[in-house]
Amino acid sequence: GAVVSQHPSWVICKSGTSVKIECRSLDFQATTMFWYRQFPKQSLMLMATSNEGSKATYEQGVEKDKFLINHASLTLSTLTVTSAHPEDSSFYICSAPTGDWSPLHFGNGTRLTVT
Amino acid sequence: GQNIDQPTEMTATEGAIVQINCTYQTSGFNGLFWYQQHAGEAPTFLSYNVLDGLEEKGRFSSFLSRSKGYSYLLLKELQMKDSASYLCAGKDSNYQLIWGAGTKLIIKP
Repeated sequence: GAVVSQHPSWVICKSGTSVKIECRSLDFQATTMFWYRQFPKQSLMLMATSNEGSKATYEQGVEKDKFLINHASLTLSTLTVTSAHPEDSSFYICSAPTGDWSPLHFGNGTRLTVT
Repeated sequence: GQNIDQPTEMTATEGAIVQINCTYQTSGFNGLFWYQQHAGEAPTFLSYNVLDGLEEKGRFSSFLSRSKGYSYLLLKELQMKDSASYLCAGKDSNYQLIWGAGTKLIIKP
């Protein structure tokens, strides 16, 4: 089955630094990937849609200059949290579809803690 | 607007059956998905309905009524490991997933 790999699984960083999260589709090509954020005991919140070879589409309220998305190839999308603050601490999850009628395949998520 | 509604929390007993309901309003409809999410983990795909009726997968079944904008996930022979959040998501005309807030299922021995 389709596999999405996300790295790192967890990261702790100091306030003001930047963190990069990678999302790879291992056995299929993903022209689109989705980045979600989930705070404790809350549902998934779509942050942005990553598009291979073009700019990402950000959801309302998500700062594109703070959450930089790069989708450089058909198998890799990266999310960089720039100038991280404690309120950015959350669970970040990427996902990719294999087709319009297929379910989303999720990475294992990245637990970000900003101190 | 687009909306997915499901109960916040449910409690059931080990070995029993539980039904988690979901109602949806989406701009167009291209399927209804159910995912399971254990605490601290990413969601995993459970089932997908695009036509009316029941889809059965082992202990889990999912039902869809498009005319009523309604789906349910049925879990049989509950096990302690089934304690998790269950997310209902509808796919709209743009093939975008609209997520419900999730139902936290607590299984008691």
